[in-house]
Amino acid sequence: EPEVTQTPSHQVTQMGQEVILRCVPISNHLYFYWYRQILGQKVEFLVSFYNNEISEKSEIFDDQFSVERPDGSNFTLKIRSTKLEDSAMYFCASRKQGATYEQYFGPGTRLTVT
Amino acid sequence: QKEVEQDPGPLSVPEGAIVSLNCTYSNSAFQYFMWYRQYSRKGPELLMYTYSSGNKEDGRFTAQVDKSSKYISLFIRDSQPSDSATYLCAIPDSGGSNYKLTFGKGTLLTVNP
Repeated sequence: EPEVTQTPSHQVTQMGQEVILRCVPISNHLYFYWYRQILGQKVEFLVSFYNNEISEKSEIFDDQFSVERPDGSNFTLKIRSTKLEDSAMYFCASRKQGATYEQYFGPGTRLTVT
Repeated sequence: QKEVEQDPGPLSVPEGAIVSLNCTYSNSAFQYFMWYRQYSRKGPELLMYTYSSGNKEDGRFTAQVDKSSKYISLFIRDSQPSDSATYLCAIPDSGGSNYKLTFGKGTLLTVNP
């Protein structure tokens, strides 16, 4: 069964460093999302991406964040200058056109900022 | 008022018990209601979803929506230790075209053998 994959599973970085989190969505899906979950808190929407552009972003998704689909399979989230409060699980999700509500999530990347 | 509220538990039941998990929501425009299961340190896994009011059954799982009281429920019959996980209700925002999900905080369920 096709699934969303994410790499790395765990990333440790120092405050102020740039990180890139990678996702490979399900191959026939056209809508892509990033969510994050700070330990003990809700899963929160960050950004959605369709047709090679951001379609919606949350207040959390400030200028330090960017997303890109550099090729036909990868979808990346970049944090330019990490802060301690960026420590969280980051989940990528995707859905196909027509299956409006069915988002499929990857296993997540645990980001630890020290 | 928060959009989706969910009692975080934890909830501990013996194997074979019927489990009831619940959420409330504030926006009466919501039409679809999702349930995700999340095992420890894993991504949310879509369990099932319902549209508008009524019930939907899938094996041991039943999702129920009461739009008049803005209340959604997930029932698990004959619960198994493998059902031990966090259960998240989620509602897609149909205000735009992206259907971003708003999640409840999740209820941690433990089914004891």
